[in-house]
Amino acid sequence: KAGVTQTPRYLIKTRGQQVTLSCSPISGHRSVSWYQQTPGQGLQFLFEYFSETQRNKGNFPGRFSGRQFSNSRSEMNVSTLELGDSALYLCASSFVSGGDEQYFGPGTRLTVT
Amino acid sequence: KQEVTQIPAALSVPEGENLVLNCSFTDSAIYNLQWFRQDPGKGLTSLLLIQSSQREQTSGRLNASLDKSSGRSTLYIAASQPGDSATYLCAVEEDTDKLIFGTGTRLQVFP
Repeated sequence: KAGVTQTPRYLIKTRGQQVTLSCSPISGHRSVSWYQQTPGQGLQFLFEYFSETQRNKGNFPGRFSGRQFSNSRSEMNVSTLELGDSALYLCASSFVSGGDEQYFGPGTRLTVT
Repeated sequence: KQEVTQIPAALSVPEGENLVLNCSFTDSAIYNLQWFRQDPGKGLTSLLLIQSSQREQTSGRLNASLDKSSGRSTLYIAASQPGDSATYLCAVEEDTDKLIFGTGTRLQVFP
């Protein structure tokens, strides 16, 4: 069974631009969560989607948004990029929402210049 | 607010040693606790999941315990190998699929 895939793996953007990252969960998984990892703040929860609905949201500004499609694939979007948005963005999938083991993808490394 | 702490922050040991990594959390109202490893620049690999009603889980040379009432978990690695070198992260699920991560223990096992 294929794991969680994320595209692109690396991205370089300029301040003020916007970016869209994609995540394909493990086949059959319906919950997708997104995390930001930085050296200073560690791993922080962004949001979680289940059956195309956002079920949970972390403490990030409205510039960070996401969505989930009917095939469970998810995208996250960051608008008006700032230097501090440079990070490794990880998505995780699980079969159900709440209490299930979460499996992570390899991440998208975003660099904002 | 849930806080997760991992001790030690870094560990360097010779091959063959048995290791104990510690994780503590401040709020015992959790769904489960999960241990991960992360290799440099890579994603997270799930090692063990302990549900809140369980006391321990084992997988190969790994054993994780959970004491929810005291807010503690330990990851025991038996007979460490150089391939175990990585950062180990614990995370508690306190809300629907929301994981709160510790800062990790960076482990180096030298031959």
